Amino acid sequence: QVQLVQSGAEVKKPGASVKVSCKASGYTFTSYDINWVRQATGQGLEWMGWMNPNSGNTGYAQKFQGRVTMTRNTSISTAYMELSSLRSEDTAVYYCASSGFDFWGQGTMVTVSS
Amino acid sequence: QSALTQPASVSGSPGQSITISCTGTSSDVGSYNLVSWFQQNLGKVPKLMIYEGSKRPSGVSNRFSGSKSGNTASLTISGLQAEDEADYYCCSYAGSSTRVFGGGTKLTVL
Repeated sequence: QVQLVQSGAEVKKPGASVKVSCKASGYTFTSYDINWVRQATGQGLEWMGWMNPNSGNTGYAQKFQGRVTMTRNTSISTAYMELSSLRSEDTAVYYCASSGFDFWGQGTMVTVSS
Repeated sequence: QSALTQPASVSGSPGQSITISCTGTSSDVGSYNLVSWFQQNLGKVPKLMIYEGSKRPSGVSNRFSGSKSGNTASLTISGLQAEDEADYYCCSYAGSSTRVFGGGTKLTVL
């Protein structure tokens, strides 16, 4: 069965970077795009961007342009989302999701605090 | 890329039908039949309920249906049940491989 398993919770200081991983199993990793979505506590879902694991092509929401980088390692079927210049407003749960949003990772809590 | 507009809350009694609207623009909802709807219970991962405007994934009750008129998409839940109480989000393709979510709607079953 399709599974997306994300890395564990992170605590970072303002100005630092965080890299969240998303390991895929149960399907051919390079066949489907991966989306990244975040959700601040008590807030709504926010689409951050997508990546094609086959080509490495990416597309980012305008809000995150210049701060987010999505990459992959096809040998271990893992996608990564790195967010830099962290600020308190970036405190949120970060999710990876399949191209059609039918499968989601369990979420990774990222806390930005001095 | 402004968020799609959803009502903050809707409510209904068991057995009734409710509709949640999702208003976008001619650049997103109005241009593509690619709206998805998600159900999210507190502290849980979102669950896909509707995709491509009106299609239901396997296992989703046929009490859930989706439609679109102009720049507004809608999710209708018929025969409301207590277990339907959750937050609901719409999401639309917005061109150039981008997506945009709505702000979310809290459904209360009275």
